[in-house]
Amino acid sequence: AQSVTQLGSHVSVSEGALVLLRCNYSSSVPPYLFWYVQYPNQGLQLLLKYTSAATLVKGINGFEAEFKKSETSFHLTKPSAHMSDAAEYFCAVSVQGAQKLVFGQGTRLTINP
Amino acid sequence: DTEVTQTPKHLVMGMTNKKSLKCEQHMGHRAMYWYKQKAKKPPELMFVYSYEKLSINESVPSRFSPECPNSSLLNLHLHALQPEDSALYLCASSPTSGFSNYGYTFGSGTRLTVV
Repeated sequence: AQSVTQLGSHVSVSEGALVLLRCNYSSSVPPYLFWYVQYPNQGLQLLLKYTSAATLVKGINGFEAEFKKSETSFHLTKPSAHMSDAAEYFCAVSVQGAQKLVFGQGTRLTINP
Repeated sequence: DTEVTQTPKHLVMGMTNKKSLKCEQHMGHRAMYWYKQKAKKPPELMFVYSYEKLSINESVPSRFSPECPNSSLLNLHLHALQPEDSALYLCASSPTSGFSNYGYTFGSGTRLTVV
């Protein structure tokens, strides 16, 4: 079975600072990895995904993530935080043929002015 | 059209009521999903429909009854719910249920409150 662990349920950074949200996965077969963002009282929006092509994946809103098989990690980064980035972020994993995504517990990102 | 539309956005119901949640997509996706999300928690899978047939039921109580009348529409019928069923109910779709590298397109959810 697949799983993801998000390190840090709450991350707080200053506006303009680097954003780093951590995600480690567990899978016995090659995984597909996703980052979703959820703003208050809204659904989930796909930020980016890794599907076995390039290991450095660029997404929307200036976010990117790097797949590191040796570290079983898929951390999300953004060079400069903006106030509008404040939200809940979920890492998720799936594998070919699976019928569901498995979500991590989420990380709440707070941006300080 | 690249959206999943859920109605209503908010719903308050009593424990003896019957209500339905509706989800619609026009992307030609053949897999649709219901998720339940409690506050400060990740979404939890409830049901998966693939080609209008129920393929996964994650041991959901029978007071939740899903229905997929056609490839674009997914309903969740609610009856005799409990206050602990209050949550955000999310619908999602994907091209097929086995093509999992796509990820899902989520709707904005229905905020359900059971009183």
